[in-house]
Amino acid sequence: AAGVIQSPRHLIKEKRETATLKCYPIPRHDTVYWYQQGPGQDPQFLISFYEKMQSDKGSIPDRFSAQQFSDYHSELNMSSLELGDSALYFCASSGRTPQFFGPGTRLTVL
Amino acid sequence: SQQGEEDPQALSIQEGENATMNCSYKTSINNLQWYRQNSGRGLVHLILIRSNEREKHSGRLRVTLDTSKKSSSLLITASRAADTASYFCAQAGANSKLTFGKGITLSVRP
Repeated sequence: AAGVIQSPRHLIKEKRETATLKCYPIPRHDTVYWYQQGPGQDPQFLISFYEKMQSDKGSIPDRFSAQQFSDYHSELNMSSLELGDSALYFCASSGRTPQFFGPGTRLTVL
Repeated sequence: SQQGEEDPQALSIQEGENATMNCSYKTSINNLQWYRQNSGRGLVHLILIRSNEREKHSGRLRVTLDTSKKSSSLLITASRAADTASYFCAQAGANSKLTFGKGITLSVRP
C-alpha cells in the first residue's frame, strides 16, 4: 500500500539559510499535518491543511510557512534557520482517522 | 508536552512477558491513539480508541480508556524483542491534530 512520502530524508543547512520540506500524502487523503520532533522530545504539532486550506495551527514559528497544493502535496518552508530548528519533521495524512505518518525529514542546522 | 503524560518513561522486560504502559491526558478527547516509533524513525499507528469506547483489542495489543480519570493504558502481551521501541499516546481534539505525550521507551530482552 502507498505510504506518505517525504523528501528529502536528510537535510543539512547553515544558520540563517532556508529549507523546504516536501510531503506527498497517501492518495485520496485530503488532510495533511506537520509535526516537529526535537531530540528526545515528543512530536509537536505545527500546522495542518484540509482540502488545500489551513485547518489548524500549532506552535509554528513565524519563520515557517506551509501550504498544500492542488495535487494535495504539501511543503513546509523554513527561513532564517536557527540551531534549535534541528529536528525530525514529520508529515502525516488522513482521510478520516487515524493519521498515517511519513518517515520524516531529519534537518540538521549547523 | 504537558498533556498525554505516559507512565512509566522507560520499561525493560523479558521476552514473553506483558508490558503495560499508561497515559494520562488533561482535556476532552475525540479519540486517543497509540503510536510506536523505532529509534529516529517514523511513527507507526498501533490502535485508536474512541471517547465512547472503554476497551479495544488488536492482535497482541489491548488498550483501555477511562474518560473519568482521563487515562489510557496499552498492554502488549507476550512481548517480543521486535517490540523494542518508543511508544506514544496521542490525543485527538476537534480538528484531529494530535497532542503527543512523552514517549515510553520499551526494551524487550531476548
